[in-house]
Formats: sequence, C-alpha cells, structure tokens
Amino acid sequence: DQQVKQNSPSLSVQEGRISILNCDYTNSMFDYFLWYKKYPAEGPTFLISISSIKDKNEDGRFTVFLNKSAKHLSLHIVPSQPGDSAVYFCAASDRYTGTASKLTFGTGTRLQVTL
Amino acid sequence: NAGVTQTPKFQVLKTGQSMTLQCAQDMNHNSMYWYRQDPGMGLRLIYYSASEGTTDKGEVPNGYNVSRLNKREFSLRLESAAPSQTSVYFCASSERLAGDTGELFFGEGSRLTVL
Repeated sequence: DQQVKQNSPSLSVQEGRISILNCDYTNSMFDYFLWYKKYPAEGPTFLISISSIKDKNEDGRFTVFLNKSAKHLSLHIVPSQPGDSAVYFCAASDRYTGTASKLTFGTGTRLQVTL
Repeated sequence: NAGVTQTPKFQVLKTGQSMTLQCAQDMNHNSMYWYRQDPGMGLRLIYYSASEGTTDKGEVPNGYNVSRLNKREFSLRLESAAPSQTSVYFCASSERLAGDTGELFFGEGSRLTVL
C-alpha cells in the first residue's frame, strides 16, 4: 500500500508559467513533508519542506502548500525556468523518535519546462 | 566537502554473482540508508542504520545484507544477484534533531545491471 502518491508521472509547462506538482498521502502520522529534485545521473537533492502544523512554506520561486484535511500537498514553481526540468519526488517523514529519519517517497513527477 | 560518496558508479553482474556497494559520508551523520530507485516505483528503503552498531530492515530488504563498518561507512551486499535487483542504488545519510525535517543527503547513485 503506497502511503505517498504522485499521480502525475509527467508535466510540461512553458517557461515563465507556473508549475504545480501534486502529492497525496494516507498516513496521518507523518510530521514533515519534503520535496526533492533529481537530475539524470545525479542523486536527489532537497528542495523545500513543510511541517504538518503549517499550511504554507515559501522559498524564493518555490512554495509548498499542505491541506491536512485532504491529505494533499502541492509544490508551486513560479516562474518556471528551463533549469527546473527534472524529476520531483514528494517524501514524508515519520514523527521524530530520536533516531533515524525514514523517508517514504512518492513515485516522482517528471517536469519539463519548454521554451 | 564530498558529502556522500558511493562506489562503484556502474556495475554489470551475471545472475548468481555477488558484489558489495560501498558508501562513505564525511558529514559526521549518525544515520545512513540504502534506497533503490526503479521506474514507476520511486525510491524504496532497503536497509538503514540509525547509528553506528545498529542496522534495520526497510521496505525491500530481501536479497540484501548490510554492514555499518564505522560511523562513516555503510555497505550493501548482494550475495547472489538476481535480474530483479537491476536498479539504481542510492546511499544517504542524516542527522535528525528534534524539530528537524528529517532531510536526507544522497550520493550520486550506483547503477547495477544483473544479466
């Protein structure tokens, strides 16, 4: 049973427009949600996160929105740039227990920003 | 500052052969992880080590063994490789404190093909 789902495998957006990537989860015990960006032949790199007690977090062109009642989060990229073309993974973190951080990942959405 | 380093980056094996993937981190993190990435499956946790001297199974541990050699190094061993283990393997590390997001830092990945 997949606890973190990204239902759109791919998304194409024109340069300068808004990109919206979506993620759904089922486990209400997650306390942080993270977005990772991955270029081909590289490891995933952390992009932005949000605590489960907040509904919005913004960092430059990137904003993450969390709707706890719907168990849904989204990543907004405004304006989109060609360098944003990558695979984006949504991930969720279990509540802190003083030990390891086992992230549960979605299947990823490939974003292509066209000129 | 190298971060998380994985070797080898590419490997081709025949069914039944064994091999070890090596991982080292220089960030003084307590926790280390091995994930695999497959098309349409996202990243799935194989094994993790919350701290030096401990290891635990993740979501897909069958066919793998791990060793936490010291605080810096965490290796993944395939004793008898199978075609189903063809994948890209990522090592990661973290140091989570109370209130942290649980962010993982990933290596560049090791692409393994089992014929």
